[in-house]
Amino acid sequence: YELTQPLSVSVALGQTATITCGGNSIGNKAVHWYQQKPGQAPVAVIYRDSNRPSGIPERISASNSGNTATLTINRVQAGDESDYYCQVWDKNTAQVVFGGGTKLTVL
Amino acid sequence: QVTLKESGPALVKPTQTLTLTCTLSGLSVTTTGTRVSWIRQPPGKGLEWLARIDWGDEKFYSTSLRTRLTISKDTSRNQVVLTLTNMDPMDTATYYCARMNPLPARQFDLDIWGQGTMVSVSS
Repeated sequence: YELTQPLSVSVALGQTATITCGGNSIGNKAVHWYQQKPGQAPVAVIYRDSNRPSGIPERISASNSGNTATLTINRVQAGDESDYYCQVWDKNTAQVVFGGGTKLTVL
Repeated sequence: QVTLKESGPALVKPTQTLTLTCTLSGLSVTTTGTRVSWIRQPPGKGLEWLARIDWGDEKFYSTSLRTRLTISKDTSRNQVVLTLTNMDPMDTATYYCARMNPLPARQFDLDIWGQGTMVSVSS
């Protein structure tokens, strides 16, 4: 199973960033999203399609339908500049699958 | 508070076997619902999942690395151990262990990660 993410997304400070994660019928799977800053371990920012762990701001949201899952960051801040990864558990192969990652640049 | 910490050699030679340990604190490897994965990240590249072991000793492996990987638990030390045989410079990466959240509602997200340990492969 493969997950496809854009290599990079650029957004102006204060605007809305959208990062997509494509996969065959991904809408039928639970999608998780991670933020990774340079030199740090990834941090979960969304679990099971659209749920935020405690401590994650409401500016971060996500959805999942059809063949695309989407991470949305509203009112983007300089601190949001990071790599973002989507992830699923593929029951067919019993493996964790990560997307290739998207580098978010804040202009 | 649950934490995970990776440890292992910083440098290995080609063809050697790498052994990494993930020490859990605040959680037992045998507690029902405990699932621990290993993930690696080559410098400047993305995340690659390697293997997972569950509290009941069920094991899962990456298809691409299955023949070289072994994951196990050391219950006396509360550790998860990963071995990777026949190391190659392409295996140079930061290796992370991470816990899958045990709540069914979370659906297998990796909610707690170790800090990672960098392993270089060079002669």
